Amino acid sequence: KAGVTQTPRYLIKTRGQQVTLSCSPISGHRSVSWYQQTPGQGLQFLFEYFSETQRNKGNFPGRFSGRQFSNSRSEMNVSTLELGDSALYLCASSLYGEDEQFFGPGTRLTVL
Amino acid sequence: GQQLNQSPQSMFIQEGEDVSMNCTSSSIFNTWLWYKQDPGEGPVLLIALYKAGELTSNGRLTAQFGITRKDSFLNISASIPSDVGIYFCAGNRDDKIIFGKGTRLHILP
Repeated sequence: KAGVTQTPRYLIKTRGQQVTLSCSPISGHRSVSWYQQTPGQGLQFLFEYFSETQRNKGNFPGRFSGRQFSNSRSEMNVSTLELGDSALYLCASSLYGEDEQFFGPGTRLTVL
Repeated sequence: GQQLNQSPQSMFIQEGEDVSMNCTSSSIFNTWLWYKQDPGEGPVLLIALYKAGELTSNGRLTAQFGITRKDSFLNISASIPSDVGIYFCAGNRDDKIIFGKGTRLHILP
């Protein structure tokens, strides 16, 4: 089985721009979770999607949004980028969400 | 809110030594997971624990789900250079997975 894939792997943007990141889960997995990872804060939970519905949400501003498609692929969007949004964005998939999560390689976002 | 306290934050050891790290919480968890992350990559699942008291091994790695369901530990025996990385614990409850802040393992030459 192919693992979780994320595109792009690297991204450089400037403040004020917006960005869309993509995640394809392991085949058959219906839950996709997104995390922001920075050196100082560790893994911070953004949101989780299950069957095209946002099921859980972390404490991030509304500039961070996501969606999930019928094939379970998910996208994450960040609008009006700030310098502090520079981070590794990881997505993880699991069968139902409460079980083992498998991570993708991440998208490294740099905001200049 | 729910928090996982992972310790130590970092470790410096000699190759061949055994390693021990743990996670504790004031909350009860239904599942404990241990991950390892290499630089520039996503975390990789090492061991999953589902029952209180469960002791599970994966090669040189051994992890246990604490009896109180509020803690877990991970041991690595006879460390080798490729063990270098960040180890994360994660606990699952109320349909949410919470991560510890990680233990960074360094192996001295």
